[in-house]
Amino acid sequence: GQSLEQPSEVTAVEGAIVQINCTYQTSGFYGLSWYQQHDGGAPTFLSYNALDGLEETGRFSSFLSRSDSYGYLLLQELQMKDSASYFCAVRDLRNAGNMLTFGGGTRLMVKP
Amino acid sequence: DAGVIQSPRHEVTEMGQEVTLRCKPISGHDYLFWYRQTMMRGLELLIYFNNNVPIDDSGMPEDRFSAKMPNASFSTLKIQPSEPRDSAVYFCASSPGVGAAPNYGYTFGSGTRLTVV
Repeated sequence: GQSLEQPSEVTAVEGAIVQINCTYQTSGFYGLSWYQQHDGGAPTFLSYNALDGLEETGRFSSFLSRSDSYGYLLLQELQMKDSASYFCAVRDLRNAGNMLTFGGGTRLMVKP
Repeated sequence: DAGVIQSPRHEVTEMGQEVTLRCKPISGHDYLFWYRQTMMRGLELLIYFNNNVPIDDSGMPEDRFSAKMPNASFSTLKIQPSEPRDSAVYFCASSPGVGAAPNYGYTFGSGTRLTVV
């Protein structure tokens, strides 16, 4: 089966850099996604990595190492509005890769 | 596009009553997913459809839950009879599918917060 591990909570200060790690176990890995969810809101797509390396989108970057079954989301120049839960999710061979399995989420608290 | 539309946003019902949640996916998206989110269990996939056909319902908790997709623009998730442990936020999401999307992102609806008392 699939399993994903990510820290339950991370706290950082405004302007800082924070890294949220995700390790996974799955069969037939396709790619790793990251989603952001504010309290009371819906998950929104942030990034997707299918190949090893770093993908940068503005202040957010996502990294994948397929050999280590590991990825991370890097948030730079933290802002108060970045306080939210962040979920990693894997696509794998189940159902030809059309399904996502989500991790338990990391609650990020940004303090002034 | 208006995004994925779910209704109602909030539902409070008494134990034993039937509950129907509704979802309109993004036009052109071939895949529709129903997720349930709770503090204890996180985001759980209940069922998903491809081109209106249910593909995987292994996440549906029990026979009290059923889902339909009569056409490409509408899906329902029904709970009958409802129980307090069904209280959760239910999300619908849609996706264009593996072959179409460059990033394979799901678009989630705003969710239905269900409270069964």
